[in-house]
Amino acid sequence: QKEVEQDPGPLSVPEGAIVSLNCTYSNSAFQYFMWYRQYSRKGPELLMYTYSSGNKEDGRFTAQVDKSSKYISLFIRDSQPSDSATYLCAMSRIGSQGNLIFGKGTKLSVKP
Amino acid sequence: SQTIHQWPATLVQPVGSPLSLECTVEGTSNPNLYWYRQAAGRGLQLLFYSVGIGQISSEVPQNLSASRPQDRQFILSSKKLLLSDSGFYLCAWRGTASNQPQHFGDGTRLSIL
Repeated sequence: QKEVEQDPGPLSVPEGAIVSLNCTYSNSAFQYFMWYRQYSRKGPELLMYTYSSGNKEDGRFTAQVDKSSKYISLFIRDSQPSDSATYLCAMSRIGSQGNLIFGKGTKLSVKP
Repeated sequence: SQTIHQWPATLVQPVGSPLSLECTVEGTSNPNLYWYRQAAGRGLQLLFYSVGIGQISSEVPQNLSASRPQDRQFILSSKKLLLSDSGFYLCAWRGTASNQPQHFGDGTRLSIL
């Protein structure tokens, strides 16, 4: 079993839809959880960073962590064509020098 | 604010040629620095990381090496490139305080012919 599993998609939604992106993980030592957005031919850009179980909201984005189920989610409300990108989940353990384990990414396309 | 620079953005090299990719960070001191390779459909693979000048940890054995000659400079090198070295190479940094996330440069797309 891979440490981090992420559905690669592709996922296509109409503009204005609510998007749900998910990752599962197997290592209960993961304590820090991140979502990155990557546009084509660009580096990943940090979107959300959470530490504990629960929800964190930033504008149209909500990150959710459920440590008991080893499951994290990113919700995008009122999706826009500019949200079309690949979304990567990432996580790390305490004391790991910040080394991240990434999911393979989900490619999202928001159609106008 | 902190910024990270990678160059070149695109590189085409023949098999057997040497490689040097450079990454520099501005606006921070003593960052942790990372080199990743991203292959299509395979996610990001951590190649090297460094917690200080001259300190390099390798995550996977390969045809590549890394060096950190200055605090905010990280270099990825090869003496002889292989076809399998093609890919998208990303540099990242993070602060040394605990709980800091990583921030990425815009990468170098390397094609080996």
